Amino acid sequence: GAVVSQHPSRVICKSGTSVKIECRSLDFQATTMFWYRQFPKQSLMLMATSNEGSKATYEQGVEKDKFLINHASLTLSTLTVTSAHPEDSSFYICSASDVGGDEQYFGPGTRLTVT
Amino acid sequence: LAKTTQPISMDSYEGQEVNITCSHNNIATNDYITWYQQFPSQGPRFIIQGYKTKVTNEVASLFIPADRKSSTLSLPRVSLSDTAVYYCLVGDTGGTASKLTFGTGTRLQVTL
Repeated sequence: GAVVSQHPSRVICKSGTSVKIECRSLDFQATTMFWYRQFPKQSLMLMATSNEGSKATYEQGVEKDKFLINHASLTLSTLTVTSAHPEDSSFYICSASDVGGDEQYFGPGTRLTVT
Repeated sequence: LAKTTQPISMDSYEGQEVNITCSHNNIATNDYITWYQQFPSQGPRFIIQGYKTKVTNEVASLFIPADRKSSTLSLPRVSLSDTAVYYCLVGDTGGTASKLTFGTGTRLQVTL
């Protein structure tokens, strides 16, 4: 089956610094990738839709200048949390869909802790 | 995107059949019903998808009545490893990747 990886799996950073999370589709090309955030005991919340070669589309309430998304190739999307604060600590999950496909494949998630 | 309603939690003993029902009264004609499973600190995993009637795969069955306003995920003979959160999603998957809106999910606890 299709595999999506994320790197790093877990990261700890200091308040005010930036951290980059990578999402890769390993065995398929993904024109569209999605980024979600999940707080403890809560459901996944869609943050943005990442389209290869174009600007990401952000959901209402998500700051695009704080959560920078780059989808430079058909197999890689990155999410950069800029000037991170403790309230940004969360589980970040990406998903990707094969070109022309319907099913979304989820990555294993990245646990971000901001101290 | 159609809103879904599921029970917050369910308990079961190992070896029993578990049925989780999801309500989606505002489902649109083009919408499919998809169920995902999520273990703690992992990304969701696709379980099953259907449009109407019954769909079965190696891990679950999905029952959808004629009015499609609800659906039931059936897990036969659950084991401890089926303890997870199960999400029901409804959306149009007509050929392109669609935004998925996750509801609260159902937290299934399986015990001996």
